[in-house]
Amino acid sequence: AQTVTQSQPEMSVQEAETVTLSCTYDTSENNYYLFWYKQPPSRQMILVIRQEAYKQQNATENRFSVNFQKAAKSFSLKISDSQLGDTAMYFCAFVYNQGGKLIFGQGTELSVKP
Amino acid sequence: KAGVTQTPRYLIKTRGQQVTLSCSPISGHRSVSWYQQTPGQGLQFLFEYFSETQRNKGNFPGRFSGRQFSNSRSEMNVSTLELGDSALYLCASSVGQAKNIQYFGAGTRLSVL
Repeated sequence: AQTVTQSQPEMSVQEAETVTLSCTYDTSENNYYLFWYKQPPSRQMILVIRQEAYKQQNATENRFSVNFQKAAKSFSLKISDSQLGDTAMYFCAFVYNQGGKLIFGQGTELSVKP
Repeated sequence: KAGVTQTPRYLIKTRGQQVTLSCSPISGHRSVSWYQQTPGQGLQFLFEYFSETQRNKGNFPGRFSGRQFSNSRSEMNVSTLELGDSALYLCASSVGQAKNIQYFGAGTRLSVL
């Protein structure tokens, strides 16, 4: 069975600082995709970043980057220069095969403090 | 392009009733997935429809069902509602492959009294 684990239920960071959210997953699949989604208090889920498992290069999107360690099945998200608008629940997710079935972690609630 | 639209945004039902939720995907998207979000269980996959066929199914009882129309719009139905069905129901649409991003709607908040 495929599982995703986020071991940090809550985190906080000062504005402008850097924070890293952890995610580990378990799968026997070789081809899959990993995502970080953000769900602000308004609750619309938004994609933050995507990583293809067959790519060794870590994905980056502006202030967001990942540290993808395939052998360790680890997929952490680094947020640089944190902003108040980054306050949200962050979900790590995994999909494989045909797609359509995202498997989510339990989420990390991130608070950015002024 | 318009985003994923879910209706209604809020619903209040009583135990034993049934409910239908609707999801209109982004134009051109053929896949619609449904998720249940609760504080205790987190985000759980219900099912996915692709080109009017159920392609994936989660571990939910048969009271939860869905369908997809030729225009890719999808509906989810829950029969004989239980208190534990109270949740935020999210739908997401995508082009249809694993690599494709799923775009989420704002959700339908269902409260069962």
